[in-house]
Amino acid sequence: EIVLTQSPGTLSLSPGERATLSCRASQSVRSYLAWYQQKPGQAPRLLIHDASTRATGIPARFSGSGSGTDFTLTISSLEPEDFAVYYCQQRSVWPPLFGGGTKVEIK
Amino acid sequence: EVQLVESGGGLVKPGGSLRLSCAASGFTFSDYSMNWVRQAPGKGLEWLSSISSRNLNIHYADSVKGRFTISRDNAKNSVYLQMSSLRAEDTAIYYCARDTGDYLSNGMDVWGQGTTVTVSS
Repeated sequence: EIVLTQSPGTLSLSPGERATLSCRASQSVRSYLAWYQQKPGQAPRLLIHDASTRATGIPARFSGSGSGTDFTLTISSLEPEDFAVYYCQQRSVWPPLFGGGTKVEIK
Repeated sequence: EVQLVESGGGLVKPGGSLRLSCAASGFTFSDYSMNWVRQAPGKGLEWLSSISSRNLNIHYADSVKGRFTISRDNAKNSVYLQMSSLRAEDTAIYYCARDTGDYLSNGMDVWGQGTTVTVSS
């Protein structure tokens, strides 16, 4: 199975700052990587699929990049509603495991 | 409105069984693979199982293989998770989620609100 390692575990930033989240795969997943956002008490929401394609309705401040084993989710300028936990998931092979998550918290 | 609504969670004793249901509406259910994902208290997301649109392909996480069974009824727009031999570590919120397409598509784009399963004596 492919293990996804997300870093950092927690990112402390202020509104308006840029957030850069990393997801590293134990072997290549090509571009078959998705990112999700989860706020407390809510279900996850798909943000990015195929490493860099924003899902329907996702603001342009969210962008994804990478291929192979190294991926990045960037939030260009944090809005108050962006403070949440972010998960990556590989969609290349079974099982489609999630990474451990990165919490973006208000500094 | 595209919607998934889970039901069937509750308190069950270790070794017991429970059947979760997920009712879909607002889209052509039979066109999509469906998934179950869980989240233990204070923990991350754990993919559990997927079933393709026509029941031809089913996959399970190692943690539930042999204990959980996924199924679907396209006539009823529903997907199910039969859970048996439940353990304390199965305590979690269980989410039903739709794939963006069929059979390991590029993400899960519709999620239910979750149903809580507590395994305790």
